[in-house]
Amino acid sequence: SAVISQKPSRDICQRGTSLTIQCQVDSQVTMMFWYRQQPGQSLTLIATANQGSEATYESGFVIDKFPISRPNLTFSTLTVSNMSPEDSSIYLCSVEDLGGWDYGYTFGSGTRLTVV
Amino acid sequence: AQSVAQPEDQVNVAEGNPLTVKCTYSVSGNPYLFWYVQYPNRGLQFLLKYITGDNLVKGSYGFEAEFNKSQTSFHLKKPSALVSDSALYFCAVRLLPGFQKLVFGTGTRLLVSP
Repeated sequence: SAVISQKPSRDICQRGTSLTIQCQVDSQVTMMFWYRQQPGQSLTLIATANQGSEATYESGFVIDKFPISRPNLTFSTLTVSNMSPEDSSIYLCSVEDLGGWDYGYTFGSGTRLTVV
Repeated sequence: AQSVAQPEDQVNVAEGNPLTVKCTYSVSGNPYLFWYVQYPNRGLQFLLKYITGDNLVKGSYGFEAEFNKSQTSFHLKKPSALVSDSALYFCAVRLLPGFQKLVFGTGTRLLVSP
């Protein structure tokens, strides 16, 4: 299955600033997914990122707040812009594994963001 | 709306006893169903999945789940719980073919007491 390197693993940021989270995959993948997990909550999909096209955002999430880049088939970034304490969450990237019999979804280790 | 539900916020079980974590789904067509576990301060780990075939699926760490189409359920089970199984468990469903994203349940916290 794919291996995802996500960084940073955690950060503490001042309100009003922005943080860019990176995900690097060890194989080429068509789609990458970005999730948010608020404290004590489940995972909510932010957007789906295809290489070469604009990301598709879920209801309640907008590009100005969460711009995404997908420059190639192994890399994506999510930026959390103009942060407020409500943005404090774990952010995870994920890919769909289409390799052989081991179909599934692999997740990065997550970025724990605290906004102060 | 297509969704997945985990009706229990928390499940408590004594070590050595069997455990069940419940999941039901509401999806058109044939769902792809997954279970993930999240330990404190760690990422999401894959446990098992149902795509097609045998309704009883065996996964990591001795866990298994049974796909029941008539009851639209995919409950997670383990014959003998360990204290180290204490964690947050998520059921997830992949929507219709052509929509690759996963939708997660609200999660169930499993607490195994010694």
